[in-house]
Amino acid sequence: SQTIHQWPATLVQPVGSPLSLECTVEGTSNPNLYWYRQAAGRGLQLLFYSVGIGQISSEVPQNLSASRPQDRQFILSSKKLLLSDSGFYLCAWSGDRYGYTFGSGTRLTVV
Amino acid sequence: AQKITQTQPGMFVQEKEAVTLDCTYDTSDPSYGLFWYKQPSSGEMIFLIYQGSYDQQNATEGRYSLNFQKARKSANLVISASQLGDSAMYFCAMRGPYNDYKLSFGAGTTVTVRA
Repeated sequence: SQTIHQWPATLVQPVGSPLSLECTVEGTSNPNLYWYRQAAGRGLQLLFYSVGIGQISSEVPQNLSASRPQDRQFILSSKKLLLSDSGFYLCAWSGDRYGYTFGSGTRLTVV
Repeated sequence: AQKITQTQPGMFVQEKEAVTLDCTYDTSDPSYGLFWYKQPSSGEMIFLIYQGSYDQQNATEGRYSLNFQKARKSANLVISASQLGDSAMYFCAMRGPYNDYKLSFGAGTTVTVRA
């Protein structure tokens, strides 16, 4: 069966520090991968998506970047965090048009 | 561009009663998919139900049913026989056509079930 792992669960980082959030998928190959951000009490905003290794599409201009070094690994990064980067980050994957599976999320607080 | 609108920020429902969560969408594409997700306080996103734009019948999954009115571009979620565990935030989402697998989400509706 397919599983998605996302870590860490919570993170407190100072302004200006780097960020690296990792997401890995098991039990499937060539998944579409997504990074979403959710501000407190709000909906999900798509940040990045990838349809293959090294293929990254950005949905919104921001202080973040994404990479897909392996087929089932998706990484969200920042060189210097801003206060506005605080939020709940969710990784997701889909293998077709009908199903999306989300990771457990990372709650990031930039202080 | 796709847009999802959920106009109810919060709702209270009595245990064992039914509740309807509103969702309207806007798209010019004939092919699309509509999803509902539940997000409890833990933050995980739990898939509830899916409706394809060409599906002739309304989708149902256990206590969840989707009232799909294509001409009105609405996809309301009905939760029957509410349980305390149904207290959560609920999101409506839409996927674009064909090879566009991205999901666009509404702002969500918080449901609180009272005993």
